[in-house]
Amino acid sequence: QSALTQPASVSGSPGQSITISCTGTSSDVGDNNLVSWYQQHPGKAPKLMIYGVYKRPSGISNRFSGSKSGNTASLTISGLQDEDEADYYCYSYAGSFSWVFGGGTKVTVL
Amino acid sequence: QVQLQESGPGLVKPSETLSLTCTVSGGSGLSDSYYWNWIRQSPGKGLEWIGYLFYGGSTNYNYSLKSRVTISGDTSKNEFSLRLNSVTAADTAVYYCARTNNDALDIWGQGTMVSVST
Repeated sequence: QSALTQPASVSGSPGQSITISCTGTSSDVGDNNLVSWYQQHPGKAPKLMIYGVYKRPSGISNRFSGSKSGNTASLTISGLQDEDEADYYCYSYAGSFSWVFGGGTKVTVL
Repeated sequence: QVQLQESGPGLVKPSETLSLTCTVSGGSGLSDSYYWNWIRQSPGKGLEWIGYLFYGGSTNYNYSLKSRVTISGDTSKNEFSLRLNSVTAADTAVYYCARTNNDALDIWGQGTMVSVST
């Protein structure tokens, strides 16, 4: 299975909102609600931010929200803060008991 | 609270077998009905799902690695392991173990760097 498609980079100023897209196919993102999002700071392990397309784990700020339309899932970060600068990855069930990540998006806070 | 910790050699020679172990501490260990995954990240690159072990012993692997990968578990030691055969420089990466809960990777190990080189 091919990696899901994410923009290489997205940037925004503090306080602004940004959206990261994650485009797959009707066999993965479009076929289920099992999309999750991860934040990774340099040299650190990824951290779960959103699961089940839009659900937030305990302790995750409500500035992070997820959605999906067709074959594209999205992560929105509202009220952008310096600490949000990191790499973000989407992850989806891809059928036949396999899973696939997106290529990753570098978020820069200007 | 559940924690995961990877361990194993940091250097493997080309054509040899990479072997890593993930120790599960806290909770009910490996006996819980979760999926236990291996994921890797090549230097400067994105994340790649390698495969998982379900607590009952069933496994599934990334199709691109399936011919070279084996994931197994030892519930008595609360450990699960990754074996990757016939490694090349392309297998140089940080290897993470992670737990699947609610169809997402909710707990991750810190990762361990493995280099393939003579």
